[in-house]
Amino acid sequence: GQNIDQPTEMTATEGAIVQINCTYQTSGFNGLFWYQQHAGEAPTFLSYNVLDGLEEKGRFSSFLSRSKGYSYLLLKELQMKDSASYLCAVVDSNYQLIWGAGTKLIIKP
Amino acid sequence: DAEITQSPRHKITETGRQVTLACHQTWNHNNMFWYRQDLGHGLRLIHYSYGVQDTNKGEVSDGYSVSRSNTEDLPLTLESAASSQTSVYFCASSVGERNEQFFGPGTRLTVL
Repeated sequence: GQNIDQPTEMTATEGAIVQINCTYQTSGFNGLFWYQQHAGEAPTFLSYNVLDGLEEKGRFSSFLSRSKGYSYLLLKELQMKDSASYLCAVVDSNYQLIWGAGTKLIIKP
Repeated sequence: DAEITQSPRHKITETGRQVTLACHQTWNHNNMFWYRQDLGHGLRLIHYSYGVQDTNKGEVSDGYSVSRSNTEDLPLTLESAASSQTSVYFCASSVGERNEQFFGPGTRLTVL
């Protein structure tokens, strides 16, 4: 079967750094997405990785290791507005997105 | 600006009623998707379409149907609503193999 694992919930302090991990076992791999979803809103695109390594975009970075079936999303200089759920999704061999259950990130002052 | 809209945003219905949720996108994307999102679960795919007259079942398609008569619209029909179908429903669209999906604002459906 196909499986995406993420921690259910994480807590971090404003101004700090947090790393959200995602491990996957899927039938094939054609890329990995991270989406952000604020409560009561739609998911919005954050990042896409298809090759191994780190992709940096402002305060957010995403890392991929295809051999380990592993990715992480790194958020720096946390702000209160970063309180949201972060969804990991893998593009499988059929180019379908397989979604993790999401990690709820709570930011404390 | 191109966008994707859903209507209604909130719906309360009774068990056994037929319900149709609308999804309209102006991105001119070929690919459209319907998901449901429940606490403790990720987004679960209900149905999807890769173009006009094309529809496919996702992992949780029982009790749902879709039709694609034009590029812009993919309505989702619950043939006989059940309490287990109380959920938040998201429509999404994408183009190309990368399949980066753009989501509508969601419809919160309650079946009593």
